[in-house]
Amino acid sequence: AQRVTQPEKLLSVFKGAPVELKCNYSYSGSPELFWYVQYSRQRLQLLLRHISRESIKGFTADLNKGETSFHLKKPFAQEEDSAMYYCALSVQGAQKLVFGQGTRLTINP
Amino acid sequence: EPEVTQTPSHQVTQMGQEVILRCVPISNHLYFYWYRQILGQKVEFLVSFYNNEISEKSEIFDDQFSVERPDGSNFTLKIRSTKLEDSAMYFCASSAGTKETQYFGPGTRLLVL
Repeated sequence: AQRVTQPEKLLSVFKGAPVELKCNYSYSGSPELFWYVQYSRQRLQLLLRHISRESIKGFTADLNKGETSFHLKKPFAQEEDSAMYYCALSVQGAQKLVFGQGTRLTINP
Repeated sequence: EPEVTQTPSHQVTQMGQEVILRCVPISNHLYFYWYRQILGQKVEFLVSFYNNEISEKSEIFDDQFSVERPDGSNFTLKIRSTKLEDSAMYFCASSAGTKETQYFGPGTRLLVL
């Protein structure tokens, strides 16, 4: 079965500091990985997906198949980055998203 | 920008009662999904729906659950006889294609007493 693990439930960093939210997955095939974000009182929304290789709001994530990881990084955190972040996976032949537990990121001024 | 909408935003019901949660997916989307999140737990997939039939479902989606697209715009989740453990936030999502981005609604918070 597929599984996504986000080891940190809570992460707190200061504004301007680098941020890394960890995500590890277990799946024997070729997954597609996503980061979704939920700002306060807003809906879940896609932040980025690994196939796009984009940088969104300064965030990047690289799929490391050797380490089965898809960590989310930003070099300089901003206060508006405070939110709940979910890593998710989809597998070939299936439509469902498998989510991690989520990490609540707080950026301190 | 078009959005997925869900009604009601909150629902309180008695154990054993039937509930229907409603969703209006984005209008040109073809794939529809329900997920749920029990408080403090992960977002879990329930079911996906395409071309008027279930295309995938999880073990959670047992005979107590059903989905329907009663008209061209609504997508509903029915729980026939609610249990205490059905208390959760239920999210609807839709996508244009099977591997396209899933867009989520704001959720319906269901409380079963």
